[in-house]
Amino acid sequence: GAVVSQHPSWVICKSGTSVKIECRSLDFQATTMFWYRQFPKQSLMLMATSNEGSKATYEQGVEKDKFLINHASLTLSTLTVTSAHPEDSSFYICSARPKREDYNEQFFGPGTRLTVL
Amino acid sequence: AQSVAQPEDQVNVAEGNPLTVKCTYSVSGNPYLFWYVQYPNRGLQFLLKYITGDNLVKGSYGFEAEFNKSQTSFHLKKPSALVSDSALYFCAVPAYSGAGSYQLTFGKGTKLSVIP
Repeated sequence: GAVVSQHPSWVICKSGTSVKIECRSLDFQATTMFWYRQFPKQSLMLMATSNEGSKATYEQGVEKDKFLINHASLTLSTLTVTSAHPEDSSFYICSARPKREDYNEQFFGPGTRLTVL
Repeated sequence: AQSVAQPEDQVNVAEGNPLTVKCTYSVSGNPYLFWYVQYPNRGLQFLLKYITGDNLVKGSYGFEAEFNKSQTSFHLKKPSALVSDSALYFCAVPAYSGAGSYQLTFGKGTKLSVIP
């Protein structure tokens, strides 16, 4: 149990286009989902925390108008990178925290590799 | 603020030898500590966690971690390394972010290379 999927797993797009990444909890309900960004050989950087039915909370330095997050249901959160540019190329990972309280255990998706040309 | 530190960027170990990946923590209150592993181009996989109880925590894939309060450490260990253990390892601690929500704070990661 506790599987999180991401789609797509890999995307290449032209500069200026928008890209949507989906994060789904497949077998549990997630009150909270997290979006991370990871640069090569670096740790995960938390971008934002999203709670179902409310606005996402963005970390300092993360542009909320550029990285749109929608958490429409207890099993789906989406991250849209708007007007993507080459510097947005990165590995994006989501995680989901189950509805039950369990010491903040999070389950991670497999990640999405975004390359902006 | 809750934080963890991984002092080693890279650890090399010969296959069959014991391995240790180090993590130290700085927390207020009772520490909850996690270890995750990341294989290339993959998300993070949960290995084990310490909440309370025994200082030696057993996890997935034969890994274990020892919680040491006096040294504020939570080192990851395995008695006999496999080549397939080669990956990036992250220590993490939850931090309260307000409104009843917690977020994980990760160490910078340690790359483990197991040499055949």
